[in-house]
Amino acid sequence: RKEVEQDPGPFNVPEGATVAFNCTYSNSASQSFFWYRQDCRKEPKLLMSVYSSGNEDGRFTAQLNRASQYISLLIRDSKLSDSATYLCVVTRDNYGQNFVFGPGTRLSVLP
Amino acid sequence: GAVVSQHPSRVICKSGTSVKIECRSLDFQATTMFWYRQFPKKSLMLMATSNEGSKATYEQGVEKDKFLINHASLTLSTLTVTSAHPEDSSFYICSAPTSHSSYNEQFFGPGTRLTVL
Repeated sequence: RKEVEQDPGPFNVPEGATVAFNCTYSNSASQSFFWYRQDCRKEPKLLMSVYSSGNEDGRFTAQLNRASQYISLLIRDSKLSDSATYLCVVTRDNYGQNFVFGPGTRLSVLP
Repeated sequence: GAVVSQHPSRVICKSGTSVKIECRSLDFQATTMFWYRQFPKKSLMLMATSNEGSKATYEQGVEKDKFLINHASLTLSTLTVTSAHPEDSSFYICSAPTSHSSYNEQFFGPGTRLTVL
């Protein structure tokens, strides 16, 4: 089993749609969780950290369920500029620096 | 936010040559840096952890004699791909955690695209 798994995608949605991404991880020792976005041929950029209490940043909402080892990202009112690959990232150890990336889910928002 | 630079951004070389890629933290010190490799349509795979003043730690399956890492100072780590072959063509990205962040955030360099002919 891979350490981090994500919806295979791609997701093609119209502007204004709500889209949800799922991610599961296998290492129960993971302490920190993130969603990164990566544009084509660019480096990943942090979208948001994910907390057990859930967190929201504008149109983006992230949830973490430690018991199920499951992470989600919800994007509301999607924009053309949201088109990218979304990477689920967990830390491998208690020190929180060793990142493990999921395979990514490609999102295309269509006009 | 913190800035990490990489140089060069793109390199094309002949098979058998060695290529050095630099990763610099521009406004913070990084005792640890990470090197990743990303093949087309794949995710980032950690290659090694670069430690200032000590040997790098390599992930399973990554040849340490082929991918030489030197972390000479608190702001610079280099990755040298020795005797490069076409299968080494990839996008190489470094990252550095910053102690200023309480969330173990890492900042990524812009990446180096290596093409070996």
